Amino acid sequence: QQQVKQSPQSLIVQKGGISIINCAYENTAFDYFPWYQQFPGKGPALLIAIRPDVSEKKEGRFTISFNKSAKQFSLHIMDSQPGDSATYFCAAFDSGSARQLTFGSGTQLTVLP
Amino acid sequence: NAGVTQTPKFQVLKTGQSMTLQCAQDMNHEYMSWYRQDPGMGLRLIHYSVGAGITDQGEVPNGYNVSRSTTEDFPLRLLSAAPSQTSVYFCASSSLSSGKIYEQYFGPGTRLTVT
Repeated sequence: QQQVKQSPQSLIVQKGGISIINCAYENTAFDYFPWYQQFPGKGPALLIAIRPDVSEKKEGRFTISFNKSAKQFSLHIMDSQPGDSATYFCAAFDSGSARQLTFGSGTQLTVLP
Repeated sequence: NAGVTQTPKFQVLKTGQSMTLQCAQDMNHEYMSWYRQDPGMGLRLIHYSVGAGITDQGEVPNGYNVSRSTTEDFPLRLLSAAPSQTSVYFCASSSLSSGKIYEQYFGPGTRLTVT
């Protein structure tokens, strides 16, 4: 049972374009929604995170949009750069009794120069 | 700070063999966890610990054991390796007291092949 569904599986964007990755969740116990970035041969690293009481959070070129009623959230990368080429994972965290981080299946982003 | 370190980086096992993947962190984090990463499936939680002497199962615990005798170390034991355990294994840690438990620091991974 995949509790966090992520799409698309892969994404190709031209330099300067906008990259959009979407995620949906089922479990209403989730109370943090982080995004992780992973470069080949490395472990994932936290990129940005949001709580469900906030509809949008922006850090530099990266923005999370959150729709609590639809149980969906998305990552927007503005002015995408070749250095952004990586695999992106959305995740959801239950800080209550479960204390577990549940990941989406990942999106491989390629930004063409 | 070295952060989260994992050894070995690569390992090949034969079916039925046992081994221990090592994980250590020097950030004094209370929370430590093990994930496996398989193509198209993201990262799946195997086991986690909220402190020395306390461990719990994640989504895919079968075939794996853990123990946490110190804050720094969290080894993962494969009891009898199977080809289905071929994967990349990541150890991660985070601070419970920071209010950002979701901010997990990952090690570089161990690529395991079981033949």
